[in-house]
Amino acid sequence: QVQLKESGPGLVQPSETLSLTCTVSGFSLTSYSVSWVRQPSGKGPEWMGRMWYDGDTAYNSALKSRLSISRDTSKNQVFLKMNSLQTDDTGTYYCTREATVASYYFDYWGQGVMVTVSS
Amino acid sequence: DVQMTQSLSYLAASPGESVSISCKASKSISNYLAWYQQKPGEAYKLLIYSGSTLQSGTPSRFSGSGSGTDFTLTIRSLEPEDFGLYYCQQYYEKPLTFGSGTKLEIK
Repeated sequence: QVQLKESGPGLVQPSETLSLTCTVSGFSLTSYSVSWVRQPSGKGPEWMGRMWYDGDTAYNSALKSRLSISRDTSKNQVFLKMNSLQTDDTGTYYCTREATVASYYFDYWGQGVMVTVSS
Repeated sequence: DVQMTQSLSYLAASPGESVSISCKASKSISNYLAWYQQKPGEAYKLLIYSGSTLQSGTPSRFSGSGSGTDFTLTIRSLEPEDFGLYYCQQYYEKPLTFGSGTKLEIK
């Protein structure tokens, strides 16, 4: 059974760094790519970046300067780090699995983790 | 970036009716379009990809059409469980982009 579960702090101070973990089960990170997608309340989702199945990464150019995605295949985990957080980074953060290699659409999503940027 | 516009933010219909949800891309994206359903407390669900291909497990009352810039998700004979938010997503080019969503409420 494919599952993805996000974890991380619910509250981050402005200018601080957000660190999130996506723990997956039911599939291998060396066979499927995982993306991070975020969604401000009341708005549409925004694709943030991807950890390719081969370990390469790709980022949304709008976030690239602040964002880093990495993984630990032995722990079935993908990590997101984003620095210099501001209030408009508040929202729900999801990790997602791409349906097939380079499909660029997502067949499984985690439940999401709500992140609030506030002092 | 390719802008995805869902012009209807809200739609209400009764069980048994058919509804159509539209999505327009700011440039041609061929058929590189997916549709998702989001329901409160549940994970996003992929409904359709490649504009019209049903994801495994998607009920046949759902259908997708369109190519280029204009796309439609149609739900025939609405069931009460079809309420929720519907989003389109283009994957023609990076960054991948989503529409702002259409909320379907069951009367």
